[in-house]
Amino acid sequence: EVQLVESGGGLVQPGGSLIFSCAASGFTFSSYAMSWVRQAPGKGLEWVSSISGSGGSTYYADSVKGRFTVSRDNSKNTLYLQMNSLRAEDTAIYYCAKSNTRRAFSYFDPWGQGTQVTVSS
Amino acid sequence: EIVLTQSPGTLSLSPGEGASLSCRASQFFSSDYLAWYQQRPGQAPRLLIYASSTRATGIPDRFRGSASGTDFTLTISRLEPEDFAVYYCQQYGNSPFTFGGGTKVEIK
Repeated sequence: EVQLVESGGGLVQPGGSLIFSCAASGFTFSSYAMSWVRQAPGKGLEWVSSISGSGGSTYYADSVKGRFTVSRDNSKNTLYLQMNSLRAEDTAIYYCAKSNTRRAFSYFDPWGQGTQVTVSS
Repeated sequence: EIVLTQSPGTLSLSPGEGASLSCRASQFFSSDYLAWYQQRPGQAPRLLIYASSTRATGIPDRFRGSASGTDFTLTISRLEPEDFAVYYCQQYGNSPFTFGGGTKVEIK
């Protein structure tokens, strides 16, 4: 069974940094692209970033480009999202999700349970 | 960036009724790259449909997806109590991989 377990959320001050992890199991991690999607309180889904199976290709939403960095450690079956220069509008539940192919151009299935980040002073 | 506009914002229906949810794209892209997700309150989204019309594993056949040009439709033939949720469309053929704003299907 595919499992994705996010961790690393919490309360952080504006301008601060945080790193999320997503531990994957139940599939050959390096064979699939992975993504981060967020959901602000009471709002819809917003794609944040994706990374190919090898880690060689990364993609970002304009809203996070230059501030967030997606990476993966295929030896540890773990996906990461390094978030810097955090803003109040980054407050959201962050989900990691598995793609169906090595490339990032794929639907997301399944999703993790999400981890919450609150950016506030 | 491809903008996906979902309508209506909210559908108020009774169990057993049918639902038709629309997702309109701001520009053409291959129907191979459109997905629908269901999100129940307090839960992570769940894949329903990919490639516009292919049901994901375990999704009942009362869920049907279709495409015509830049218009995509999710049809639920007979609403079950567990179908009352928010539904999102998403395109994954062009980065940024955008989502629609969602349609909430609520109990009337």
